Amino acid sequence: AQSVSQHNHHVILSEAASLELGCNYSYGGTVNLFWYVQYPGQHLQLLLKYFSGDPLVKGIKGFEAEFIKSKFSFNLRKPSVQWSDTAEYFCALRDTGRRALTFGSGTRLQVQP
Amino acid sequence: GAGVSQSPSNKVTEKGKDVELRCDPISGHTALYWYRQSLGQGLEFLIYFQGNSAPDKSGLPSDRFSAERTGGSVSTLTIQRTQQEDSAVYLCASSQNRGVVETQYFGPGTRLLVL
Repeated sequence: AQSVSQHNHHVILSEAASLELGCNYSYGGTVNLFWYVQYPGQHLQLLLKYFSGDPLVKGIKGFEAEFIKSKFSFNLRKPSVQWSDTAEYFCALRDTGRRALTFGSGTRLQVQP
Repeated sequence: GAGVSQSPSNKVTEKGKDVELRCDPISGHTALYWYRQSLGQGLEFLIYFQGNSAPDKSGLPSDRFSAERTGGSVSTLTIQRTQQEDSAVYLCASSQNRGVVETQYFGPGTRLLVL
């Protein structure tokens, strides 16, 4: 069965620091990959997604992620975080044989002003 | 446009009672999913509906859980004889199911507390 690992459970950064959140998955076939964000008190929102093509995908609010197939990774990056990026971030996978998403355990990001 | 809506937003119940949670998907979305977000378990898939096809129930944790989707739109998740471990946020998502480019859009969730 497929799985998604997010090794950073809680990350604390100062404003303007660079961000990289790790996401590794376990599945041998073709995958679609997603990053969702959940701001405090709000529902899950899609940040970005990878289906095929260019492995570097850009999402909303200056976020990007790179799909590295050889490393089974899809790390999320942002060059300069803002206080408003404080949220929980979830990496998710969908394999082509199953509609449901498999989520990682999430990373709580706290940005200090 | 309107997003996925869920009701109630919060539900407190006593152990052993039945509860019903409702999801209104985005208009025109043919696929509907239920997930559960709980402490220590993260986000787990429960059940998936696609049009008139038989639902994928592979994520339901026990036979106390069931769901239906009437008229291809609104869905109800029912938990019978609730247990304390059922306490979680129950999330609904919908999508247009355009094959490989499908993206799921999530509702605000129903926070269930079983006392």
